Amino acid sequence: EVQLVESGGGLVQPGGSLRLSCAASGFTFSSYWMSWVRQAPGKGLEWVANIKQDGSEKYYVDSVKGRFTISRDNAKNSLYLQMNSLRAEDTAVYYCARPTYYDILTGYYGGFDPWGQGTLVTVSS
Amino acid sequence: EIVMTQSPATLSVSPGERATLSCRASQSVSSNLAWYQQKPGQAPRLLIYGASTRATGIPARFSGSGSGTEFTLTISSLQSEDFAVYYCQQYNNWPAYTFGQGTKLEIK
Repeated sequence: EVQLVESGGGLVQPGGSLRLSCAASGFTFSSYWMSWVRQAPGKGLEWVANIKQDGSEKYYVDSVKGRFTISRDNAKNSLYLQMNSLRAEDTAVYYCARPTYYDILTGYYGGFDPWGQGTLVTVSS
Repeated sequence: EIVMTQSPATLSVSPGERATLSCRASQSVSSNLAWYQQKPGQAPRLLIYGASTRATGIPARFSGSGSGTEFTLTISSLQSEDFAVYYCQQYNNWPAYTFGQGTKLEIK
């Protein structure tokens, strides 16, 4: 079974740091781009970051650039999100997800499938 | 940044009827569009990618259409388990993605 399981969420003070992990199983992790997506309480979905199969390319939404770092360890089938200088507006459920469907004409990856169950990050004093 | 706008914000439909959800992009995204379903307390589930291709295991009552800037998700003959929030997502700006704000499909 293809599965993603996040961990590492919790309560952190503004300005603090947290590291999220995502354990992948049931597929060849090293063959896929991976992503983090977040959802603030009662709000919609927001893409946060992507990382290439070998970790050589990383992309971020503007609001987290310079504060968050996505990384991976293919030997451990694991994805990470290091979050520094956290703000109240970073409070959200954080999901790891796999961009699965590759369009051979464009080279784009679309369609997140599967998703993890999410881990809640609360930034508050 | 490509802005995705979904309408309506809330749609009330009776079981057994058809639901039509709309998604508009601020600029062309070609057919690089996906749809997701999210139920309370759950992660989103991929329904459609490439604007019209159903993901694995998705029932045939879900269909997607459109290209460029206008897209539609149609659910024919609504079942009780279909009442949820639906999101569209563009990936034409790969490797960045943007989502719409969601449409809540509720029982009438």
